[in-house]
Amino acid sequence: EVQVLESGGGLVQPGGSLRLSCAASGFTFSSFAMNWVRQAPGKGLEWVSSFYGIYGSTFYADSMKGRFTLSRDSSKNTLYLQMNSLRAEDTAVYYCAKSSGPDRGYLDLWGRGTLVTVSP
Amino acid sequence: QLVVTQSPSASASLGASVKLTCTLSSGHSSFAIAWHQQQPERGPRYLMKVNSDGSHTKGDGIPDRFSGSSSGAERYLTISSLQSEDEADYYCQSWGSGIQVFGGGTKLTVL
Repeated sequence: EVQVLESGGGLVQPGGSLRLSCAASGFTFSSFAMNWVRQAPGKGLEWVSSFYGIYGSTFYADSMKGRFTLSRDSSKNTLYLQMNSLRAEDTAVYYCAKSSGPDRGYLDLWGRGTLVTVSP
Repeated sequence: QLVVTQSPSASASLGASVKLTCTLSSGHSSFAIAWHQQQPERGPRYLMKVNSDGSHTKGDGIPDRFSGSSSGAERYLTISSLQSEDEADYYCQSWGSGIQVFGGGTKLTVL
């Protein structure tokens, strides 16, 4: 079955860190770009970061630059999002999503999400 | 700057049809977009990609009731024979080099 499964969410204090994982199965992980998208409570979808498959390039939304780091372990078919200096406004469900191709493109597979809560 | 815009809400009766609109920002009228559905308390689901010529590529298992089309900078999602489970938020998404953008979403109410 083609799927992505997120894990690693939880409650963290402001200024703290958390690492999210996205385990992929059913497709050739290294051949596709992978993405994180988040959704704050009651809000819409917001792009967080992308990892392009061919050259391993990473991209971040402006509000995440310098705080979030994206990495990939192709031997484990897993994408990681290291989140540092977390703020209350980072509270959201974080979704992992597969892109349609190795770099830019639409998102054609979503996970169920993992909830990150930043609170004292 | 690539931006996609959606109306915040729409409504239609059970069994009727509805057409949702996604508008691309100036200078981006040739871009493709994707539609995603998010039912209450669930993660998003990819519905289809819609190209500037109106052709579209649906995701696996998406019913024929869902179709896409285009006109200029507008991309459309039409849902026919509305069912109760179609009540959801619908997001359009476009992309550039190193960036993904989402519209604010349209909340569809099935009356």
